Amino acid sequence: EPEVTQTPSHQVTQMGQEVILRCVPISNHLYFYWYRQILGQKVEFLVSFYNNEISEKSEIFDDQFSVERPDGSNFTLKIRSTKLEDSAMYFCASSEDPGANTEAFFGQGTRLTVV
Amino acid sequence: SQQGEEDPQALSIQEGENATMNCSYKTSINNLQWYRQNSGRGLVHLILIRSNEREKHSGRLRVTLDTSKKSSSLLITASRAADTASYFCATDARDSSYKLIFGSGTRLLVRP
Repeated sequence: EPEVTQTPSHQVTQMGQEVILRCVPISNHLYFYWYRQILGQKVEFLVSFYNNEISEKSEIFDDQFSVERPDGSNFTLKIRSTKLEDSAMYFCASSEDPGANTEAFFGQGTRLTVV
Repeated sequence: SQQGEEDPQALSIQEGENATMNCSYKTSINNLQWYRQNSGRGLVHLILIRSNEREKHSGRLRVTLDTSKKSSSLLITASRAADTASYFCATDARDSSYKLIFGSGTRLLVRP
């Protein structure tokens, strides 16, 4: 069964360093998303991406964050200068055509720890 | 107030019993989706119910949706210890990006 894959599964980084989280969405999906979940809290929307551009971003998604789809398969989230409060589980999701009520499928997540 | 709030926050039942979790939301929706999360792991999609549907079944899962009350319920019948997890509802809030708004989740413990 097709699935969303994320790498790495765990990442430990020093405060101020840049990190890139990688995702391979399901191949025929057109809408891509990043969400995050701080330990013990809700899953929060960060950004949506469609047709090679950001369609919406949340207040969390400030100038330190960026997304890219560098080729036909990968979808990346970059955090330019990590802060302690960026420590969270980051989830990538994709959906074929949510306007037609298709499901959003999530990856297993990348646990980011900023020290 | 938040879109997609579940209750109860935690539920402990005996194996074989049914588990019911509820979700309330505030805005108009295209659909509502339920997800499961084992501790520290990924989100597994369980079921999607469209705004024009009232009930949907998948195996031991039964989901209802009442758009007049802006609420949904997830029923797991004949629960198993392996059903122990957190369950989240997420609403697709009819905006252009189709983002999902998640609730706080219900932590379900099924005792063997």
